[in-house]
Amino acid sequence: GENVEQHPSTLSVQEGDSAVIKCTYSDSASNYFPWYKQELGKRPQLIIDIRSNVGEKKDQRIAVTLNKTAKHFSLHITETQPEDSAVYFCAAGDQTGANNLFFGTGTRLTVIP
Amino acid sequence: DSGVTQTPKHLITATGQRVTLRCSPRSGDLSVYWYQQSLDQGLQFLIQYYNGEERAKGNILERFSAQQFPDLHSELNLSSLELGDSALYFCASSVETGPYNEQFFGPGTRLTVL
Repeated sequence: GENVEQHPSTLSVQEGDSAVIKCTYSDSASNYFPWYKQELGKRPQLIIDIRSNVGEKKDQRIAVTLNKTAKHFSLHITETQPEDSAVYFCAAGDQTGANNLFFGTGTRLTVIP
Repeated sequence: DSGVTQTPKHLITATGQRVTLRCSPRSGDLSVYWYQQSLDQGLQFLIQYYNGEERAKGNILERFSAQQFPDLHSELNLSSLELGDSALYFCASSVETGPYNEQFFGPGTRLTVL
């Protein structure tokens, strides 16, 4: 099955700086790569996703890049704010017709004011 | 609020016992997924149901089972509970199955096995 690795496990940045979280996946059939944000004590929520036919996608301060050849994808957050502090999960979706996602182990991002 | 509901919110039980977790998907969503989130770990996919039928299976233990009913709500049954089963269990739903369908997560059920 799919195996998703995520790094780093923790990340601290100063407010206003950029944060980058990287993930790799193993199954070349995966074609959907969402990112979820989980604030403390809350449910995971989708913040951005990318499909395998796109190399980059941006939404305001958040961007994702995908390198299918290398099987890795990254989340970039620019101009970080304290409210960006949360655990971020990457995931990869398989192509069997189901929509089950395989998640990375998460990155705890702390934005220091 | 995602529209996905889960009950109970918290559950405390003893080893060897059996519990049932309940999930109601968003109105109109046919697909339900169950995930386990242990302390300091990621989300482990357990099982997916689509319109009442099992669609995909992940790392679900044999002691665990699930079903989706005609009204599309789903239950996750955990039996012969062990200390290591203590975790946050999330249910998610999506409109359809297949890639690109956003999954909406419920608030989770926190299970504590003593």
